Amino acid sequence: GAVVSQHPSRVICKSGTSVKIECRSLDFQATTMFWYRQFPKQSLMLMATSNEGSKATYEQGVEKDKFLINHASLTLSTLTVTSAHPEDSSFYICSARVPGTGINEQFFGPGTRLTVL
Amino acid sequence: LAKTTQPISMDSYEGQEVNITCSHNNIATNDYITWYQQFPSQGPRFIIQGYKTKVTNEVASLFIPADRKSSTLSLPRVSLSDTAVYYCLVGDANQAGTALIFGKGTTLSVSS
Repeated sequence: GAVVSQHPSRVICKSGTSVKIECRSLDFQATTMFWYRQFPKQSLMLMATSNEGSKATYEQGVEKDKFLINHASLTLSTLTVTSAHPEDSSFYICSARVPGTGINEQFFGPGTRLTVL
Repeated sequence: LAKTTQPISMDSYEGQEVNITCSHNNIATNDYITWYQQFPSQGPRFIIQGYKTKVTNEVASLFIPADRKSSTLSLPRVSLSDTAVYYCLVGDANQAGTALIFGKGTTLSVSS
């Protein structure tokens, strides 16, 4: 099946620094990717829709200047958490849909655990 | 988007059949029902999808009654490795490729 990878899998940073998370579709092209955030014991929360070659669409309440999304190619989307603070510590997950697969079938990356000290 | 309601948690023992029911009273004509599984510290994984009646694959079965206001995910003979969170989602077939909206999910705990 289709594979979505994320890098890094885990990152620890100091408060005030910026962190970049990569999401790659390894064996298919994805014009659209999605970024989610998941806090402990909670469900996934959609942050934004990443569109190749255009601006991302952010969900209400997600600061676009803090969570910078770039989708420069059909296989790579990046999420940069700028000036990270402890409250940004979370599990960040990306996903993409493979054309021709099930209607609501998407492939998720393994996630990136961000810890801000 | 139709809202879904699932039990918060369920407990089972190895070898038993587990049925997780999801309510989606406001499901629309074009909506499909999809289930995902998520292990701790991993991304969700697609399990099964259906529109009506019964769908079966190598992992699970999905039962959808005629009124489609609910659905039941059936896991036959669960093992310890089936301990996970299971999410029921309802999505419009005409909006395939849009983001998935996750509810709270059902935490299934399987014991020996």
